[in-house]
Amino acid sequence: AQSVTQPDIHITVSEGASLELRCNYSYGATPYLFWYVQSPGQGLQLLLKYFSGDTLVQGIKGFEAEFKRSQSSFNLRKPSVHWSDAAEYFCAVGALANFGNEKLTFGTGTRLTIIP
Amino acid sequence: NAGVTQTPKFQVLKTGQSMTLQCAQDMNHNSMYWYRQDPGMGLRLIYYSASEGTTDKGEVPNGYNVSRLNKREFSLRLESAAPSQTSVYFCASSPPGLAGGPKEQYFGPGTRLTVT
Repeated sequence: AQSVTQPDIHITVSEGASLELRCNYSYGATPYLFWYVQSPGQGLQLLLKYFSGDTLVQGIKGFEAEFKRSQSSFNLRKPSVHWSDAAEYFCAVGALANFGNEKLTFGTGTRLTIIP
Repeated sequence: NAGVTQTPKFQVLKTGQSMTLQCAQDMNHNSMYWYRQDPGMGLRLIYYSASEGTTDKGEVPNGYNVSRLNKREFSLRLESAAPSQTSVYFCASSPPGLAGGPKEQYFGPGTRLTVT
């Protein structure tokens, strides 16, 4: 079974500083990887996804993530954070389930706080 | 398009009461999902439906039932609510996408349920 680990429960970053959120996955085959963001009181919004091809993927809001198979990682980065980036971030790995359906396994999330 | 909608937004139940959470999507997606979100535990899959007429258990199905009423609607029922079911519930849907492999999921705004 697949699993996702987000080792950082909470990260605090100054506005304008760079950001890296860590994600490690466990899956026997080629993983399908996602990053979602959840603002307070809201649902989850997809930031970016990796299915195959270029291991550096670009997403919305200036985020990018790099897939490293050798490290089983899919870390999320942003060169310069804005106060509006304060939210909770979830990494997820996808796998085929019964009936050819697919389901995602989510990490426990990293809460990002931005200080002025 | 409204995307994924959920009703109600908030609900308070007494132990033993029953209720149904409603979810609808207008994106013509085949697959639909129900998750619960608890602090420090990320999102956990309760049930999912690959297509109209099919449902399957996820990670935490005990105490819940689901109905895939048609392609648009997927409801979650608590027959006898317990305090352990206090949580935020999210519905999601995903498109057919490419052959094989998981597809991104689109989330509703959530239902915050408290069981006293």
